[in-house]
Amino acid sequence: GQQLNQSPQSMFIQEGEDVSMNCTSSSIFNTWLWYKQDPGEGPVLLIALYKAGELTSNGRLTAQFGITRKDSFLNISASIPSDVGIYFCAGANSGAGSYQLTFGKGTKLSVIP
Amino acid sequence: NAGVTQTPKFQVLKTGQSMTLQCAQDMNHNSMYWYRQDPGMGLRLIYYSASEGTTDKGEVPNGYNVSRLNKREFSLRLESAAPSQTSVYFCAIRRHLNTEAFFGQGTRLTVV
Repeated sequence: GQQLNQSPQSMFIQEGEDVSMNCTSSSIFNTWLWYKQDPGEGPVLLIALYKAGELTSNGRLTAQFGITRKDSFLNISASIPSDVGIYFCAGANSGAGSYQLTFGKGTKLSVIP
Repeated sequence: NAGVTQTPKFQVLKTGQSMTLQCAQDMNHNSMYWYRQDPGMGLRLIYYSASEGTTDKGEVPNGYNVSRLNKREFSLRLESAAPSQTSVYFCAIRRHLNTEAFFGQGTRLTVV
């Protein structure tokens, strides 16, 4: 089946620093999604990308749909303590039978005040 | 997590006991999913229902059964719980193909 490689697995950064994480796939996706999960909560959608090359922002977060459709990137600018959590990427495809989302294993972000 | 309600939030079972995890949505979305989340493993799909009346296996279906009771509700049943099923279970919904998923708050299950 399809697999997503998400990196890095974990990050420790100083408050105010910028953060970058990415996901790569062995196959093409039509949709890339980025989620954040706080401890004890379910994943919450941050950004959805539907078009190759698309660059979308949500406040201090910016995500890009790679032009090859096999990768996506998430950047967080000027990190703050509440950015702590696990960030997941997910890929989706359209087409008959393609109802599944494929998730990366997550990037655990720690912010040092 | 508005729109997707999971019950119960916590549960402890003894090995061999059975239980049903409930998921209900109020967003009128077509497809519903059950995932389990284990440390270092990310989210793994157990079963999904593309639309009312259909269910299909995901990546890790063994030991589970599901029922899509109606468009709103999708339940996950453990017939004979095993310690390996200790996990956090998430229900998710999607409007249709190629759209984002919305998650419930999870059910934390411990099997002793």
